[in-house]
This record gives sequence, structure tokens and C-alpha cells, in this order.
Amino acid sequence: DSGVTQTPKHLITATGQRVTLRCSPRSGDLSVYWYQQSLDQGLQFLIQYYNGEERAKGNILERFSAQQFPDLHSELNLSSLELGDSALYFCASSVVDGGEQFFGPGTRLTVL
Amino acid sequence: DQQVKQNSPSLSVQEGRISILNCDYTNSMFDYFLWYKKYPAEGPTFLISISSIKDKNEDGRFTVFLNKSAKHLSLHIVPSQPGDSAVYFCAASESFSSSNTGKLIFGQGTTLQVKP
Repeated sequence: DSGVTQTPKHLITATGQRVTLRCSPRSGDLSVYWYQQSLDQGLQFLIQYYNGEERAKGNILERFSAQQFPDLHSELNLSSLELGDSALYFCASSVVDGGEQFFGPGTRLTVL
Repeated sequence: DQQVKQNSPSLSVQEGRISILNCDYTNSMFDYFLWYKKYPAEGPTFLISISSIKDKNEDGRFTVFLNKSAKHLSLHIVPSQPGDSAVYFCAASESFSSSNTGKLIFGQGTTLQVKP
């Protein structure tokens, strides 16, 4: 158990809908990262927050957004969903920027 | 542009033998490398890391070797055990600075099967 929690574990929705994925980092970790893993692909970095502020953006679509709240949990919002958005979404946390990241179990999103 | 590549999608070894997983990278600014192990339906689990100031790091049965001139790293598992069967991801990051925040760039993964 990494100490990072993600909810929900599975999510099935339709095209055009909007969903919110939630992540709680390990106790004491200030940095939260979101990654997307599509079928047979490696993990792609989406976005990072550090202590409530956006720190870095990767290949994140404009339809996707995220935020980190004062209690340090983070939410990833995916809107106008398309079939290609079906993937595993992982959240990871670290104490500070850089170094090893601890991953949650992921949310499997299926868009029908 | 795939900055981190794991060219072998799969590897099969006999229990007790050595497993060698390889990873190549193209970005010369990468200076911190990690290996993660992933079981189905779970998130990646950190295994071992190495900084670019070293060429080897060992932790129990796991050893990572870094060849900076070749932009290549490898993970050795000795002896391999059936419980090591999983997907292994290589990841890299640049030094932390105002423009680099520790985000990890992952390879596509190698599925290791250790046969009893």
C-alpha cells in the first residue's frame, strides 16, 4: 500500500459526459502528479500540483483540468469525453518536487 | 518523440536465473532514473533508482546500471523469482529547477515472466 488513494476505482460513462477523478496523496506529500496510461502504452505525464499551485503541464488536453485543494487532495476533471479518453489514470505524490513518486491504484475510465 | 524507450515488450526467464531489462533514453538532460514494477490492477511500485553521478546502484536482488555515454540503463534481477513476474517501467527525470519539476518520463514497459 503506497498510501496514495484514488477514487473511484472504475468509471464507465458515455461520450460527451464529464467526470471527476479524486486523489489523496500520502500524508505529508505536497506534490501531486497525474498520469494517463492508454492501452499498451507507458504512463504519460498530464499535470503536477505542488502545495495547491499548478507546477507543470504535460500533454494534457484542454478538455482536462485539475486542481489541488488546501487539504492537498487533488481532482482531475475530464469533460466532453471521447472514446479515446478511455484509459487508466494514475495519481502519484512525492514529498517535494523530484525524487521517487508513490502511485495510487489508478482509476480505470471507460467511455462508451 | 519517445524520450525513454524499452525495446523489449516481453522477457521470459527461468526461476533462479538472471533477468536483465533494458532501457534507452535520448534526452541528455535526464539525470535521475527509476524503475517501477506494476502488477495488474495496481499502481506502479517504486523499485530502485540511480542518479547520473553513479553508474551502479544495488538493493538486494535488484541492481541498476547506468551507461551515460550510451544513454542506456539496465535492471538486473538475481535470482529471479516467480513473484517478480510483472510489468517493469523505466522512468527518467531532469534535475529539479524552475522549469523542471521532477515529472517522470516513462518507457512503454517490459512484461517479465519468471517460470518456476
